[in-house]
Amino acid sequence: EDKVVQSPLSLVVHEGDTVTLNCSYEVTNFRSLLWYKQEKKAPTFLFMLTSSGIEKKSGRLSSILDKKELFSILNITATQTGDSAIYLCAVADSNYQLIWGAGTKLIIKP
Amino acid sequence: SAVISQKPSRDICQRGTSLTIQCQVDSQVTMMFWYRQQPGQSLTLIATANQGSEATYESGFVIDKFPISRPNLTFSTLTVSNMSPEDSSIYLCSVATGTSSYEQYFGPGTRLTVT
Repeated sequence: EDKVVQSPLSLVVHEGDTVTLNCSYEVTNFRSLLWYKQEKKAPTFLFMLTSSGIEKKSGRLSSILDKKELFSILNITATQTGDSAIYLCAVADSNYQLIWGAGTKLIIKP
Repeated sequence: SAVISQKPSRDICQRGTSLTIQCQVDSQVTMMFWYRQQPGQSLTLIATANQGSEATYESGFVIDKFPISRPNLTFSTLTVSNMSPEDSSIYLCSVATGTSSYEQYFGPGTRLTVT
């Protein structure tokens, strides 16, 4: 059965810290791995990763995929209170459906 | 990315009634999906809304309970029928342009509370 596992499930850090969120997967017809940020109701798209070893960056956020070891990490540097959210990892299969992880709840303390 | 709107944004409904949620996109999209997110849980796919044909439901979801319409490439509705408190959730529609992109973009969501 296809699955996506995120760790840790929750994380509390202080403003300015750097955090690394993990996502491992076992998906038969893997096509891409996606990261989303969910603050209230709707997840907002962060990154889509398809190729191994190519880092994607957006400001203080970056992500990379390892297709050999079947995992991805999401890094956030110089964290701010506005980064507090649930971060969701999902894997797209060949049917364009997303298999979701349980999410990492990140709390940034001032 | 597409701009997606959903109505209503929230509602409180009585047990046994039905609610229809609308999802409107500002451009034509290949695929539309409906998700449910129960409190403290991750997203669960209810169905893929197919334009001009019946929706494709995931295991555990049936058309009688969650009828879906998709009359064109920019609009879809999800009805939650004969509601019970267990249906209290956030309901989300998402869109994907398909072809070579697997990115999905989400509407703002509908928070449903059933009393």
